[in-house]
Amino acid sequence: GESVGLHLPTLSVQEGDNSIINCAYSNSASDYFIWYKQESGKGPQFIIDIRSNMDKRQGQRVTVLLNKTVKHLSLQIAATQPGDSAVYFCAENLPGFQKLVFGTGTRLLVSP
Amino acid sequence: DTEVTQTPKHLVMGMTNKKSLKCEQHMGHRAMYWYKQKAKKPPELMFVYSYEKLSINESVPSRFSPECPNSSLLNLHLHALQPEDSALYLCASSLRLGTGGATRANVLTFGAGSRLTVL
Repeated sequence: GESVGLHLPTLSVQEGDNSIINCAYSNSASDYFIWYKQESGKGPQFIIDIRSNMDKRQGQRVTVLLNKTVKHLSLQIAATQPGDSAVYFCAENLPGFQKLVFGTGTRLLVSP
Repeated sequence: DTEVTQTPKHLVMGMTNKKSLKCEQHMGHRAMYWYKQKAKKPPELMFVYSYEKLSINESVPSRFSPECPNSSLLNLHLHALQPEDSALYLCASSLRLGTGGATRANVLTFGAGSRLTVL
């Protein structure tokens, strides 16, 4: 299940399940989005990206969906494995600005 | 080489000390970044260098002083820090500084970070 509150939102799943991590972005003009994975003691690592002229992009075991109408991104992980346990951040690229803006993050816990 | 290397991995310093964090990349990236990350929070941008020139300073206190000696190196000089400055400091690089284009040139490659504790 998912819990949201004062702590980092956490999604707990069983190994082998499919996981869906959600992200609400802030600016309707954002034209590029990236998902990062951050494991404990490491820096964020690029997973997958999507341009605003697309609504779906697939990688290996991961799919990103973009709904510009409601400014929502999701990251789907198929057949989740313990090695997928990490904090996942979405980031949006704002036209005219020279930086990525990171979302608040979601912790994914995968139990065997 | 597809890595960003940060040293030291851990640093403990007193409020009167002067120390430096170092970052190196050999991917030919021309934009380099410093981020600060507190526990359970997303990375917060501090500084951006583009072609060795400071391009963005996100109103960071002057006790943090960045330096970019060449296109492969980025330093963060620390002086008179406060305990609330304790955090994970992340260095990142990208092919070039994004100007809003939807391109992988904007994708950041992060180092593993330097965990700073200020006593």
